[in-house]
Amino acid sequence: GQQVMQIPQYQHVQEGEDFTTYCNSSTTLSNIQWYKQRPGGHPVFLIQLVKSGEVKKQKRLTFQFGEAKKNSSLHITATQTTDVGTYFCAGKRQTSGSRLTFGEGTQLTVNP
Amino acid sequence: EPEVTQTPSHQVTQMGQEVILRCVPISNHLYFYWYRQILGQKVEFLVSFYNNEISEKSEIFDDQFSVERPDGSNFTLKIRSTKLEDSAMYFCASTRGYEQYFGPGTRLTVT
Repeated sequence: GQQVMQIPQYQHVQEGEDFTTYCNSSTTLSNIQWYKQRPGGHPVFLIQLVKSGEVKKQKRLTFQFGEAKKNSSLHITATQTTDVGTYFCAGKRQTSGSRLTFGEGTQLTVNP
Repeated sequence: EPEVTQTPSHQVTQMGQEVILRCVPISNHLYFYWYRQILGQKVEFLVSFYNNEISEKSEIFDDQFSVERPDGSNFTLKIRSTKLEDSAMYFCASTRGYEQYFGPGTRLTVT
């Protein structure tokens, strides 16, 4: 079945440092979504990428979708303590309807 | 802002018992989902529901699981005979398009 892998599993940074998490799918995706889950919370939608090579920005967050539509990344510039949480990518296969397959997540901690 | 609600927030049950987890999706949403998340692990898809029927289900969603939309607002997940390994956080989600809105979850503890 489809697998979505994410690295790193954990990332500890000092406030102000940058952070990147990478996501790789075993199959070509129709689109990829990113979610953030605060400790003790539920996943919250951040963004969806659909086109090959697409890049989207939300303030300090930059999302990329690979040319082959099998990988994606999320980059946060100048992290803040409010960025703490686990970031999940979630891929949708071209044949899977609306089912999302989540990656393992990257847990980000930010030291003030 | 409308949100997905789930009850109860925490359910403790004994192995072999039946549990029903309840969700109220956002009112104008059309697609509904159940996911589970074992503590510290990734979010796993269980089932999607559209137009009053299951549209997709995962390998986890075996005969022990069932879903219903008994009225116009509630969406339920039933586990017929719980096992220890069913202990997890269960999230309901709904969407009108592609952005899935997750509820706060029900923590199920099977003892």
